[in-house]
Amino acid sequence: NAGVTQTPKFQVLKTGQSMTLQCAQDMNHNSMYWYRQDPGMGLRLIYYSASEGTTDKGEVPNGYNVSRLNKREFSLRLESAAPSQTSVYFCASSEAPGGRYEQYFGPGTRLTVT
Amino acid sequence: AQTVTQSQPEMSVQEAETVTLSCTYDTSESDYYLFWYKQPPSRQMILVIRQEAYKQQNATENRFSVNFQKAAKSFSLKISDSQLGDAAMYFCAHNDYKLSFGAGTTVTVRA
Repeated sequence: NAGVTQTPKFQVLKTGQSMTLQCAQDMNHNSMYWYRQDPGMGLRLIYYSASEGTTDKGEVPNGYNVSRLNKREFSLRLESAAPSQTSVYFCASSEAPGGRYEQYFGPGTRLTVT
Repeated sequence: AQTVTQSQPEMSVQEAETVTLSCTYDTSESDYYLFWYKQPPSRQMILVIRQEAYKQQNATENRFSVNFQKAAKSFSLKISDSQLGDAAMYFCAHNDYKLSFGAGTTVTVRA
């Protein structure tokens, strides 16, 4: 039981390049999330998927797209990377959205855009 | 919009002593949950404790306890008998449908 896994762990991109961050969970959770963590700002929600087949914008969606590929997988795509997207990205999952349901986090991806 | 404020960027505590981390939040909802997460240098986010807004009793988990003041929208975390392994960044979070995090408090434990 691996929980939430993310690939890659580290990535360096040049401005304008694209990439996809992969996330998978093996807990049969319905809801999945993408956050970014910047110094002094805590974690901010980029996109979330309350259930398979649905996605919604979070607090900072600009410059990102997501795909809920199936119940297990939720990917985050940067179409044209910018230095402002340098951050640590976390994927998380929960049994259901909101309320009492604990979110389980992956180990994070450190992305640097030069 | 939800906002979560942690006013202490850094706190230092002597091993075996107690430290209290502050958190205030803003919400118009009446039913919600509050969480404290720990992030050690490994970067892994770990749930420390949760509190339901409808419950009067403050949550406790071993050496961790909260002081929940609903009217004041305050949710502080007390770490008792601090250990070296408690050194980490601690995030307060509010959850009615989506988690909103505070900026975090870095806790240093002195041996």
